[in-house]
Amino acid sequence: DTEVTQTPKHLVMGMTNKKSLKCEQHMGHRAMYWYKQKAKKPPELMFVYSYEKLSINESVPSRFSPECPNSSLLNLHLHALQPEDSALYLCASSRVPGLYSGNTIYFGEGSWLTVV
Amino acid sequence: GENVEQHPSTLSVQEGDSAVIKCTYSDSASNYFPWYKQELGKRPQLIIDIRSNVGEKKDQRIAVTLNKTAKHFSLHITETQPEDSAVYFCAAMEYGNKLVFGAGTILRVKS
Repeated sequence: DTEVTQTPKHLVMGMTNKKSLKCEQHMGHRAMYWYKQKAKKPPELMFVYSYEKLSINESVPSRFSPECPNSSLLNLHLHALQPEDSALYLCASSRVPGLYSGNTIYFGEGSWLTVV
Repeated sequence: GENVEQHPSTLSVQEGDSAVIKCTYSDSASNYFPWYKQELGKRPQLIIDIRSNVGEKKDQRIAVTLNKTAKHFSLHITETQPEDSAVYFCAAMEYGNKLVFGAGTILRVKS
């Protein structure tokens, strides 16, 4: 089973709202990721968690706040977003973190976020 | 950091023909090169990958070749079918499990 589950699938939020995106995997993967994808563009890495610790933050604005409560769950807390933050947010996971581990990265179906 | 260039940006082929997409990367230490297919409104789906200790890998109609010296890798799809129409992304994995994507290729298979 190579399933990464994301909820919600669609989210519309106002610029003053606080919301969260959730991601879950039960493959025993110890690396989890958040990517952002705009229309007709490739996914862009936002955060990497390795063994439940934040290992990479790609200079993401603080209105995006990631959280990894345990090895199966990854959240992305959203607050005071801007309309340009509207995008597809993809969660992903891979087996073993490492410097150059070369492990397959599996993507969830994504959460479509619209900021109004 | 790693930089991945992908060509062409769009590719139209007739059903049954072959399609080739090429990528180059900059970081000689990168050792993992996956290809993803993304249909409209869906997630990127891994279709094939190759590691730096291998020069070629094939899975039915899909093959990937890697030239480490030249730092380029290519996706080959033979006997294309309409359902192959999608956006294809190449990627290279750099230090820290960071996957860096190419800009994507829109493949259209005309029947």
